[in-house]
Amino acid sequence: DGGITQSPKYLFRKEGQNVTLSCEQNLNHDAMYWYRQDPGQGLRLIYYSQIVNDFQKGDIAEGYSVSREKKESFPLTVTSAQKNPTAFYLCASSIVNPANEKLFFGSGTQLSVL
Amino acid sequence: QQQVKQSPQSLIVQKGGISIINCAYENTAFDYFPWYQQFPGKGPALLIAIRPDVSEKKEGRFTISFNKSAKQFSLHIMDSQPGDSATYFCAASRRNTGKLIFGQGTTLQVKP
Repeated sequence: DGGITQSPKYLFRKEGQNVTLSCEQNLNHDAMYWYRQDPGQGLRLIYYSQIVNDFQKGDIAEGYSVSREKKESFPLTVTSAQKNPTAFYLCASSIVNPANEKLFFGSGTQLSVL
Repeated sequence: QQQVKQSPQSLIVQKGGISIINCAYENTAFDYFPWYQQFPGKGPALLIAIRPDVSEKKEGRFTISFNKSAKQFSLHIMDSQPGDSATYFCAASRRNTGKLIFGQGTTLQVKP
């Protein structure tokens, strides 16, 4: 059953703590993305990667870090530098093809601050 | 800077009615305009998309209307059903950049 798996579904962060959100895909997609969703603000791009071992900052990368060591995995770390981390985080993937730009999304991780 | 503006923020429609959501964009380099549907607690899923070489695209009850000169596009849901109740996002991007810019979202409620 192909798709994108995000874990955990709910995550709580203490002050000064780094937390890592997991994203795994078995769709054999080259590109992967992290979006942040806040009520009334839509989805904003944090980081994206179009190939293994390479990634680019999106519009709101400050306070976040990523790695892309494997094609299937694109974990996101929310660092202590991110002062307002409470949000719904969505991971997505796609093929790299100008004729087909469909994003496939996971079910998201809700991050809250204790 | 919000490059894609979406309205209304929320919409209530009676079953069988037409739901209309509008989006406006600023960057004339955008050439791909998708709509995504999101149910509570789930990730968005692609509903329908259009490129600027056509003015309208229809898939079942869902239609995108595109006005290149006005830099606007809209989603029309005909014969709206309670199962259509969800949040809808418009988006825009330049071809093959992978960088979708999303609108703020519209929460649609279809009353039985």
